[in-house]
Amino acid sequence: QLVPTQSPSASASLGASVKLTCTLNTGHSNYAIAWHQQQPGKGPRFLMKVNGDGSHTKADGIPDRFSGSSSGAESYLTISSLQAEDEADYYCQTWGTAIQFFGGGTKLTVL
Amino acid sequence: QVQLVQSGPEVKKPGSSVKVSCQASGGTFSSSVISWVRQAPGQGLEWMGTIIPLYGTANYAQKFQDRVTMTADKSTSTAYMELTALTSEDTAMYFCARGRGRMVQGFIIFEGPTDYWSQGTLVTVSS
Repeated sequence: QLVPTQSPSASASLGASVKLTCTLNTGHSNYAIAWHQQQPGKGPRFLMKVNGDGSHTKADGIPDRFSGSSSGAESYLTISSLQAEDEADYYCQTWGTAIQFFGGGTKLTVL
Repeated sequence: QVQLVQSGPEVKKPGSSVKVSCQASGGTFSSSVISWVRQAPGQGLEWMGTIIPLYGTANYAQKFQDRVTMTADKSTSTAYMELTALTSEDTAMYFCARGRGRMVQGFIIFEGPTDYWSQGTLVTVSS
């Protein structure tokens, strides 16, 4: 199954960098995934698609501070120069034939 | 710029049904797919199903297969999600989201992630 796994929480200091991980099972290495951000009290927002080769395609208006990468069954969202407004829940998403999955989300706290 | 605007909050009794609308503007409605995703209070995102308006065909998550119906009106670029036999566990924010896909033999083949989201509709089920 293409069900992704995420750590429930992460934290980093203002101005620092953080790397969030989305893990698929080993049978689904090099699959494309997507990252979505959900700020408190708001709907989700598509950030980027991370391709199986590790490249990424960001949505319009997403700052350069956000980047994506992957290695095998793991995909990453790296946020550099953390700002207060980056404090949010981050979800990864996978998709297959007639089905989609969301990871459980990672709650990012900016210290 | 694609915008998805949903209908307003709903309060329903257990056992009843709810129908939520999602009107799209910008982009090409018929060639998109519209997914419905819900989020219970304090919980994560849960995919319910997807409809491809061009064909009016929907694929549903197994969990909701018996209770959900997704439809679309191409003339008004509006998608609908109806959920029946409501219980308190259906209390959640319901989002519609656009993506890209094609249909092959009745199944939606996603061609990428959901890339535009609505603001959501809060459905509260309470006696």
